[in-house]
Amino acid sequence: QQQVKQSPQSLIVQKGGISIINCAYENTAFDYFPWYQQFPGKGPALLIAIRPDVSEKKEGRFTISFNKSAKQFSLHIMDSQPGDSATYFCAASSPWQGAQKLVFGQGTRLTINP
Amino acid sequence: DAGITQSPRYKITETGRQVTLMCHQTWSHSYMFWYRQDLGHGLRLIYYSAAADITDKGEVPDGYVVSRSKTENFPLTLESATRSQTSVYFCASRGTGNTEAFFGQGTRLTVV
Repeated sequence: QQQVKQSPQSLIVQKGGISIINCAYENTAFDYFPWYQQFPGKGPALLIAIRPDVSEKKEGRFTISFNKSAKQFSLHIMDSQPGDSATYFCAASSPWQGAQKLVFGQGTRLTINP
Repeated sequence: DAGITQSPRYKITETGRQVTLMCHQTWSHSYMFWYRQDLGHGLRLIYYSAAADITDKGEVPDGYVVSRSKTENFPLTLESATRSQTSVYFCASRGTGNTEAFFGQGTRLTVV
């Protein structure tokens, strides 16, 4: 049972463009939605996270947009750079479920062409 | 050094062998997790632990065993390795509340 669905699976964007990755969740008990960034040969690392009491969170060129009624959230990367090329995972968790385990989406391999 | 470390980084084993992947964290985080990463499947939870001596199954637990006798260690054992267990394995730890989860560098396991 995939509780968090992520799309697209892969994405190619030109340098300076906007990268958009989307996620949808099913469990309304989720109340923490992080995005992780993973470079080849490395473990995932937290990029940015949001809680459902706000509709948007911005950190530099990275923005999470959150739509609670639609149970969707997305990552926007503005002015995408070749160094942003990585795999991105959305995730969700609830403090009331099983050791607060994070449920991950399938991942998006992002390539930024110079 | 502070952080979360996995060992070994790379392992090749034969079908039917028992193999143990190690995970150690220095933050005294209560929660620890084992994920496997496969193309097209993202990160799937194998087992997790809320504290020493408290473990539970995740999404794909079959063929794996875990233990947590000490807060800082969370080893994952493949009792009889199969080719379908060829994967990259990540250990993670997390404090209480909705906080950041920290991942190790991963163990690339190949079962031949």
